[in-house]
Amino acid sequence: DAKTTQPPSMDCAEGRAANLPCNHSTISGNEYVYWYRQIHSQGPQYIIHGLKNNETNEMASLIITEDRKSSTLILPHATLRDTAVYYCIVRFPLNTGNQFYFGTGTSLTVIP
Amino acid sequence: GAVVSQHPSWVICKSGTSVKIECRSLDFQATTMFWYRQFPKQSLMLMATSNEGSKATYEQGVEKDKFLINHASLTLSTLTVTSAHPEDSSFYICSARSQNYGYTFGSGTRLTVV
Repeated sequence: DAKTTQPPSMDCAEGRAANLPCNHSTISGNEYVYWYRQIHSQGPQYIIHGLKNNETNEMASLIITEDRKSSTLILPHATLRDTAVYYCIVRFPLNTGNQFYFGTGTSLTVIP
Repeated sequence: GAVVSQHPSWVICKSGTSVKIECRSLDFQATTMFWYRQFPKQSLMLMATSNEGSKATYEQGVEKDKFLINHASLTLSTLTVTSAHPEDSSFYICSARSQNYGYTFGSGTRLTVV
């Protein structure tokens, strides 16, 4: 699985958009970009994933660059409950292979 | 959506005793389950992968005789921490994989060994 690089921490004002970057320059053609988050002392929660195209769901938007070497998770209107550690994971489709490894993630703090 | 139930949510045990943690997929069958350990301010570290009906595969550095994993059915996997010591105190999280829902995580178990 491709390695990812994320900033260790970020702050965002409540109500503003939170933009969380992820670098994955060694991503291969069949690997997807997955985003999970972990609120303190809870299990990780799935947010969104994508292959090439930008994706949007009720939680967030995922912007993947054309060369697929980086992506950005966007929380359009951050709330205090979005304070969490966000993990960007690159791997083959979830229904293939074993192992699901986490990197160090980005600790997002939403400030009132 | 898929739900994974993990029990107990927290446990305190005496040094030298064993503790069992259960992980259940409530509304789907999970052919593969995963166990993670997380120390304070650190990321999740994969401990082992278990497939129903077969022996678990442990990550390098994880003692298989200390962390016993049983995956006897498609909806239940258990992790037993044997002869627990204070350094085993950690947050343990399970995950279940299914064809339809991908990876679903439990809510975690906080183990404190005193």
